[in-house]
Amino acid sequence: GPKVLQIPSHQIIDMGQMVTLNCDPVSNHLYFYWYKQILGQQMEFLVNFYNGKVMEKSKLFKDQFSVERPDGSYFTLKIQPTALEDSAVYFCASSPGGARDTQYFGPGTRLLVL
Amino acid sequence: GQQVKQSSPSLTVQEGGISILNCDYENDMFDYFAWYKKYPDNSPTLLISVRSNVDKREDGRLTVFLNKSGKHFSLHITASQPEDTAVYLCAADNSGGSNYKLTFGKGTLLTVTP
Repeated sequence: GPKVLQIPSHQIIDMGQMVTLNCDPVSNHLYFYWYKQILGQQMEFLVNFYNGKVMEKSKLFKDQFSVERPDGSYFTLKIQPTALEDSAVYFCASSPGGARDTQYFGPGTRLLVL
Repeated sequence: GQQVKQSSPSLTVQEGGISILNCDYENDMFDYFAWYKKYPDNSPTLLISVRSNVDKREDGRLTVFLNKSGKHFSLHITASQPEDTAVYLCAADNSGGSNYKLTFGKGTLLTVTP
């Protein structure tokens, strides 16, 4: 089936530094998403993105977070500066224009902030 | 509180039996309901989904039952096989009112024993 790729699979970073998580969505998909999963908890919606703009973000999407997809390349989540509570698995997803509920997920990036 | 709940963190079923996975939700505006399957360190994969205008959908060994008045939906897997062993995530969305953000349960680990 359609595959979403995420790079890197793991990232360890010192608190206060910047990190960029990369997502290669399914080609021809138009909608892009980030979800966050803290250990032992459910996946939670962070943000969605369409036509170069954030459509909706949750309260978990702090001011230190930003997303972009320059020129159809990777869809990225940047955290600057990172905090200890940002340690989690971050899942990227994409969906086609006609079926926005049908979200295809990547395997996640495991971020550890020390 | 959690808007989507999977009350059983784990379930063990013998090979050949029926696996029944349950999900309860709180938001009666949800109109899209889905089940994802997840292996460790892998992407959540969409198995089957329904919209609120139907109360049952079958696809091979999988059947989703939706009980709107009870705010409950379930996934039945017939002829369960060891390769069905995985974490099953339920998810819901208010597609009529949102920009397509899935709300997930914590997951149920299904183990199918030979």
